[in-house]
Amino acid sequence: KQEVTQIPAALSVPEGENLVLNCSFTDSAIYNLQWFRQDPGKGLTSLLLIQSSQREQTSGRLNASLDKSSGRSTLYIAASQPGDSATYLCAPNAGNMLTFGGGTRLMVKP
Amino acid sequence: GAGVSQSPSNKVTEKGKDVELRCDPISGHTALYWYRQSLGQGLEFLIYFQGNSAPDKSGLPSDRFSAERTGGSVSTLTIQRTQQEDSAVYLCASSLNGLAQGDTQYFGPGTRLTVL
Repeated sequence: KQEVTQIPAALSVPEGENLVLNCSFTDSAIYNLQWFRQDPGKGLTSLLLIQSSQREQTSGRLNASLDKSSGRSTLYIAASQPGDSATYLCAPNAGNMLTFGGGTRLMVKP
Repeated sequence: GAGVSQSPSNKVTEKGKDVELRCDPISGHTALYWYRQSLGQGLEFLIYFQGNSAPDKSGLPSDRFSAERTGGSVSTLTIQRTQQEDSAVYLCASSLNGLAQGDTQYFGPGTRLTVL
């Protein structure tokens, strides 16, 4: 059974900092991995999807890396802004479902 | 275009009652998923529909839970004889093809279920 761990569980930083959110998973037999953002009381917004054959994927200030063999993914957020405050979830895809980590709750202070 | 929609957005019910939650996937998406998000449990997979294939029900927590997908589009998740531990946000997602094709999943806003 896939187990997903996200570190840190919570993070509070001043505006402008570069951030690193970590995700580890136990079963490396995945097709891809998605990073999502969840705002309070809202659904999930897909940020990045990184295929198992890829090492990195970038979208604006976001960059996700994937090391499938070691079961790790990292989400980098450059020049953080208060609008980035949300919970970030990683979810490796085993083919029929996504398995979610507990998330990293991010607060960016002005 | 329109995203995944779910109704109702909030549902309050009494213990023992049955509830139905609805999901409208993105038009043309063949795969549909239900997840549950509860305090202390995180996001859990419930059930997966792919085209006309038999659904993957491996995540349903008990036989009180069932789901159907009519005409390959709209899906209904039914919870019978609700219990307080069923209180959670129920999220629906869809993707163009199945996850094995490497597609992005798009999520709806969820239905918040409260069982009194």
